[in-house]
Amino acid sequence: EVQLVESGGGLVQPGGSLRLSCAASGFTFSIYEMNWVRQAPGMGLEWVSYISSSGGTIYYADSVEGRFTISRDNAKNSLYLQMNSLRVEDTAVYYCARVLAAAGSPLDYWGQGTLVTVSS
Amino acid sequence: DIQMTQSPSSLSASVGDRVTITCRASQSISRYLNWYQQKPGKAPELLIFAASSLQSGVPSRFSGSGSGTDFTLTISSLQPEDFATYYCQQSYGTSRTFGQGTKVEIK
Repeated sequence: EVQLVESGGGLVQPGGSLRLSCAASGFTFSIYEMNWVRQAPGMGLEWVSYISSSGGTIYYADSVEGRFTISRDNAKNSLYLQMNSLRVEDTAVYYCARVLAAAGSPLDYWGQGTLVTVSS
Repeated sequence: DIQMTQSPSSLSASVGDRVTITCRASQSISRYLNWYQQKPGKAPELLIFAASSLQSGVPSRFSGSGSGTDFTLTISSLQPEDFATYYCQQSYGTSRTFGQGTKVEIK
């Protein structure tokens, strides 16, 4: 069974940092592209970042470019999101999601999410 | 960046109704368009990928169409478990923009 389990969320002050993790199991993690998607309270989905299976190709949303860093450790079946210079508007549930190897690069499995709250 | 606009933002419908949600891209995205369903407190679930391909396990009452800039998600006969929020997402460029969502409520 495919499982994605996020961790590392919590309360942080503006300007602070957090590192989110996503533990993958039930599939060959190293051959799948991955994404982070977030959802602010009561709001819609916002794509955050993409990483290729090898980690060699990375994309970011403009809203997090230069502040967030996506990475992965295929030996540990884990995806990460290092978040620096956090802002109040970064408050959201953060989901990791797997990319289905199909046309359209859809996100076929999602974790349950981890809540990040940025507040003083 | 490519912007995605869904309409309507919300709708009220009855069980058995045919429901159509549209998604428009700010530039052509070929068929790089996916649809998701999200229920309160849950992660989104993939319904349709590449504009019209039904994800495994998704009921056949869901269908998608379109290409270029205009896309449609149709639920042929709305069921009680379909009341949820639906999102389109493009994957044409380096970004993976979502639409703002369409909430389907019980009439």
